[in-house]
Amino acid sequence: ETGVTQTPRHLVMGMTNKKSLKCEQHLGHNAMYWYKQSAKKPLELMFVYNFKEQTENNSVPSRFSPECPNSSHLFLHLHTLQPEDSALYLCASSQDRSAGYTDTQYFGPGTRLTVL
Amino acid sequence: GENVEQHPSTLSVQEGDSAVIKCTYSDSASNYFPWYKQELGKRPQLIIDIRSNVGEKKDQRIAVTLNKTAKHFSLHITETQPEDSAVYFCAASRRGSGNTGKLIFGQGTTLQVKP
Repeated sequence: ETGVTQTPRHLVMGMTNKKSLKCEQHLGHNAMYWYKQSAKKPLELMFVYNFKEQTENNSVPSRFSPECPNSSHLFLHLHTLQPEDSALYLCASSQDRSAGYTDTQYFGPGTRLTVL
Repeated sequence: GENVEQHPSTLSVQEGDSAVIKCTYSDSASNYFPWYKQELGKRPQLIIDIRSNVGEKKDQRIAVTLNKTAKHFSLHITETQPEDSAVYFCAASRRGSGNTGKLIFGQGTTLQVKP
């Protein structure tokens, strides 16, 4: 349960605010992910980092800005968000081993974001 | 683009009955199919997964079957218990050379097990 942690767990922000979400993994993994989970929608992949390099940006608006300073930490910087960005933001990590093999992703508890 | 369809969206069963959730995927190159369980207010947790080189996998009361020809896979829960009540997500992924595995999730199934 403590392998992937996220802070804060809850965040309320205005549309003009700037805030950051933090994710930390203690599993020794080399890949980290941001997902958005909205009501009535499937989990949407936002960003993927592998060995600190961004390998996927799933057409995410520029008001979401990821940062991965090392393999254990991942941030999501938020600015000028819209009310429709309110959702649960989940971080995940995996041990990316070899081409052709997808490894299990382990999720953090999420940050419940409300944009007013 | 890649797509995973999951059915049903809600499922209600009596305790002790079996539950089956089905998913279909569009990318024939998909080779990894995990199932996640998400209880209310908690994180998704992997409960079982299957790779394309096997057709069935079982872990106690949970089993997953894969039909690559039809591009669908199913989760089977036998002898359901109230604590099985949760939202279940299927996902599919393919991993080519040089890129990290990208999971495409289904829409989720809310399972309610009535005592």
